[in-house]
Amino acid sequence: QKEVEQNSGPLSVPEGAIASLNCTYSDRGSQSFFWYRQYSGKSPELIMFIYSNGDKEDGRFTAQLNKASQYVSLLIRDSQPSDSATYLCAVSNAGGTSYGKLTFGQGTILTVHP
Amino acid sequence: GAGVSQSPSNKVTEKGKDVELRCDPISGHTALYWYRQSLGQGLEFLIYFQGNSAPDKSGLPSDRFSAERTGGSVSTLTIQRTQQEDSAVYLCASSLGTVGNEQFFGPGTRLTVL
Repeated sequence: QKEVEQNSGPLSVPEGAIASLNCTYSDRGSQSFFWYRQYSGKSPELIMFIYSNGDKEDGRFTAQLNKASQYVSLLIRDSQPSDSATYLCAVSNAGGTSYGKLTFGQGTILTVHP
Repeated sequence: GAGVSQSPSNKVTEKGKDVELRCDPISGHTALYWYRQSLGQGLEFLIYFQGNSAPDKSGLPSDRFSAERTGGSVSTLTIQRTQQEDSAVYLCASSLGTVGNEQFFGPGTRLTVL
């Protein structure tokens, strides 16, 4: 079992729809959860992070965390063609003021079609 | 302010040669990380430095890989006797750590070993 699992997709949604990206992780000691967006040929760009159970909203993005189910998701509302990219879920067992490596999923390819 | 910078952006080398990759973290960030991203392998952790603590080298794939960080800032990743399987994009990230473990990535160095 991989430490961080994502559906590779591709996930295709029409413009204006909600895109739902899912991620599960195996390490129950994980404390910090991140979503990165990566355009083709570019480096990962941090778009959301979440540490506590529940929802966290930032503009069109909502991250959801359920530690009991070891599940984290990203919702993108009013999807735009410019949201088309690979979305990487990353997990760390560091939190607060500590440091540590990120373990990444394989990424989900999202395509938003006009 | 300036983000993470890496050099060179591209490096082509012959099998068996040594290469050095450089990373300049965001000013004031005390933690620096190296990852690599290759086709079919996703993003994998290599090594990280935090302040004056001993680096976490747990992700280095072999003893041909080493890294140093001088003066708590710039880092160099060295790969000795390169092999074709070392071909990948090498990504550097830095983090501040005071509000969590958010890591910000540089543009990467694409290494091709012929």
